[in-house]
Amino acid sequence: GAGVSQSPSNKVTEKGKDVELRCDPISGHTALYWYRQSLGQGLEFLIYFQGNSAPDKSGLPSDRFSAERTGGSVSTLTIQRTQQEDSAVYLCASSLGILGVYNEQFFGPGTRLTVL
Amino acid sequence: AQSVTQPDIHITVSEGASLELRCNYSYGATPYLFWYVQSPGQGLQLLLKYFSGDTLVQGIKGFEAEFKRSQSSFNLRKPSVHWSDAAEYFCAVVVYNQGGKLIFGQGTELSVKP
Repeated sequence: GAGVSQSPSNKVTEKGKDVELRCDPISGHTALYWYRQSLGQGLEFLIYFQGNSAPDKSGLPSDRFSAERTGGSVSTLTIQRTQQEDSAVYLCASSLGILGVYNEQFFGPGTRLTVL
Repeated sequence: AQSVTQPDIHITVSEGASLELRCNYSYGATPYLFWYVQSPGQGLQLLLKYFSGDTLVQGIKGFEAEFKRSQSSFNLRKPSVHWSDAAEYFCAVVVYNQGGKLIFGQGTELSVKP
């Protein structure tokens, strides 16, 4: 596709439910990043994938958060037992690589998650 | 630890006036720096980037930024603001020993008055 796409664009869920957020990166981009944008915390890194390497999960806020990337392309961010503090916009970005000019990250439109 | 500070949470300028948005970074090595813009309900769009070389970089929509190592700054400028520039602006630094993840500043919201 022309850019990074994310689905759904909006998700409303009840506290305690699980949610899955999807990201389709730009074709050929080997690096994929998830960020979270919330009122209290600003923009914060969650996790990244690079090629076939093990993902860097250092930004995940709790073990309720997990992500996978299948076939080096599509990624799914899963939040289990959602809490109200998980309400935020979840942004996905992809880049050609992780070094130098290859690290220019292109962002998707985001998924706005609301936990009631 | 690496960090980015945008001292101004909100700025209002008149249409046609000049603009400068401040960004200060803390990073041990040569930083790779970005400015992104986010319009309401939209994702982040890259305005410009600094990797190396000329410290004055040009971006899209008439924006430019100057990297000043001595001041640890990467301020964004535009000589004449248009009403369509109203948005939130984020400065970011790449953390290269951690897979290229971005550390963002808190953002500056720009309002443009007629």
